[in-house]
Amino acid sequence: NAGVTQTPKFQVLKTGQSMTLQCAQDMNHEYMSWYRQDPGMGLRLIHYSVGAGITDQGEVPNGYNVSRSTTEDFPLRLLSAAPSQTSVYFCASISAGGETQYFGPGTRLLVL
Amino acid sequence: KNQVEQSPQSLIILEGKNCTLQCNYTVSPFSNLRWYKQDTGRGPVSLTIMTFSENTKSNGRYTATLDADTKQSSLHITASQLSDSASYICVVTPGTYKYIFGTGTRLKVLA
Repeated sequence: NAGVTQTPKFQVLKTGQSMTLQCAQDMNHEYMSWYRQDPGMGLRLIHYSVGAGITDQGEVPNGYNVSRSTTEDFPLRLLSAAPSQTSVYFCASISAGGETQYFGPGTRLLVL
Repeated sequence: KNQVEQSPQSLIILEGKNCTLQCNYTVSPFSNLRWYKQDTGRGPVSLTIMTFSENTKSNGRYTATLDADTKQSSLHITASQLSDSASYICVVTPGTYKYIFGTGTRLKVLA
């Protein structure tokens, strides 16, 4: 089991560029989510999905899109990067019933 | 407003010493409380999870306590090791798949 994997580990973008952060899990979890982590703040939920074809907004969804075409993959797209999106992004999947949340290693994004 | 507050923000201790981290919450309803350990450059990893009826839970040298009446939790680390250097995050769950994260306590263990 690789658990939750994320790519890339680090990315530098210029303002206005777009990119996709990849996330995959091999635990057959239905629920997946994306968080951002900023200094001095707790993790904040961006988007989540309760299964293939179903996504919904979290606390801070503006500027981000997601899709869930398969159970395994949950990519996060930045439409037009802004410096305010400089952050560390974590993908997570959750076992049935919400008992255990597994986090990926994170993607560190710098927007210039 | 649902909030989870942790103290102290940061802590430095010597290897072998004990320490206690605090978590106060104003989350309602309450389903469970979790403590996570986050090593630098890594994602959080679950240490303990406690429901309303549990007031203590151990995981090796980590012991978490919960007082649901006062809405307080603590994480006690016994005989600290250099590998305990990390951020410790308290998370309160008001319902299935809902998580309110604290800002964490950054612990540094010195040799």
